[in-house]
Amino acid sequence: EMLLLESGGGPAQPGGSLRLSCAASGFTFSSEAMTWVRQAPGKGLQWVSSISGSGYSTFYADSVKGRFTISRDNSKNTLYLQMNSLRADDTAIYYCAKRIVIDHWGQGALVTVSS
Amino acid sequence: NFMLTQPHSVSESPGKTVTISCTRSSGIIASNYVQWYQQRPGSAPTTVIFEDNQRPSGVPDRFSGSIDSSSNSASLTISGLKTEDEADYYCHSYDYNDQGVFGGGTKLTVL
Repeated sequence: EMLLLESGGGPAQPGGSLRLSCAASGFTFSSEAMTWVRQAPGKGLQWVSSISGSGYSTFYADSVKGRFTISRDNSKNTLYLQMNSLRADDTAIYYCAKRIVIDHWGQGALVTVSS
Repeated sequence: NFMLTQPHSVSESPGKTVTISCTRSSGIIASNYVQWYQQRPGSAPTTVIFEDNQRPSGVPDRFSGSIDSSSNSASLTISGLKTEDEADYYCHSYDYNDQGVFGGGTKLTVL
């Protein structure tokens, strides 16, 4: 069974940092691109970032470019999102997802940025 | 970058068929795959269609996806509507830089 399990969410102060992790199982992790998508409270889905299977290529939404870093450890079947210089409008549920043409989703991790 | 425009809401009766549209503002709809995601209240999204018209295993064939080049749009059609289909539906595609684009979502009411 394919599983994506996010962790690392929680409260953070404006200007602070958090690192999300996504543990993957049930498929050949290193062969698949991965994506982070977020959803602010009461709002729609927003693409955040994607990374190729090798980790060589990364892509970011303009709203997070320069502040967030996507990475992966294929030896651990784990995807990461390092979030720095957090702002209130980064408050959202962050979903880990498989592929750029998403075919599987995690359950999400809530990030709350507030002073 | 382009935008994907969906109707804010649609409603239909159980047993009927409903179609949700997703119009691309610029560029060719067929140039990048379109996906459709279902999100029930309080739950994570799930994929009902990927790569324009492919269903993940476990998604019933009541769900189908298509592309219409003449209107530069994609459509999700749900036949034999059930109350459990009531949810928000999002279309999604990406640009030549693999930057993702989501539609604003459509609330489907089955009444």
